[in-house]
Amino acid sequence: DVKVTQSSRYLVKRTGEKVFLECVQDMDHENMFWYRQDPGLGLRLIYFSYDVKMKEKGDIPEGYSVSREKKERFSLILESASTNQTSMYLCASSLGSFQAIQETQYFGPGTRLLVL
Amino acid sequence: RKEVEQDPGPFNVPEGATVAFNCTYSNSASQSFFWYRQDCRKEPKLLMSVYSSGNEDGRFTAQLNRASQYISLLIRDSKLSDSATYLCVVKTFSGGYNKLIFGAGTRLAVHP
Repeated sequence: DVKVTQSSRYLVKRTGEKVFLECVQDMDHENMFWYRQDPGLGLRLIYFSYDVKMKEKGDIPEGYSVSREKKERFSLILESASTNQTSMYLCASSLGSFQAIQETQYFGPGTRLLVL
Repeated sequence: RKEVEQDPGPFNVPEGATVAFNCTYSNSASQSFFWYRQDCRKEPKLLMSVYSSGNEDGRFTAQLNRASQYISLLIRDSKLSDSATYLCVVKTFSGGYNKLIFGAGTRLAVHP
């Protein structure tokens, strides 16, 4: 069974704090993704990575950065948290070439972040 | 216009009912299509892929109409355990990479 874990289920931070969200997958997947999910908007891609030390911007990268130093770990960093970054953050991973037509993604349980 | 649009619901149906969800997508070059299921306060999980010819998995039937850019999911003989949000997902080539584009989801509530 694929397992994707996230460092926290719930997190409360103050405006301006630096926030680290960590994601670990145990199935040797090449691809990892960070999304945020907000009511009425669905999941939106923040950043993704197809290999160690490689990162690509998704649709809403502003205010975020990422780090992938090891294959199994993908970190999302909020450099200076703001209230509009209050959201559910979901990490996902997938195996092999994402060019494969029916490639699917496996999600972690999510981190609910509240920025006060 | 959103790239993937779904009726948000909620659909409130009794056990045993048949319910259908629809989804439209805007990018005609989209390559593959999926339905994910998300339980309350849980992560999304793949329910089924959607093939051009239509496909069935037990009580669930998915259909794709490329000409109309329309995807559907039919659930027959609804169970209480089917209560969840159903996400329509489209894989699209954009910015040099394949990406999954998620709809906002349709909420289903099955009652006794």
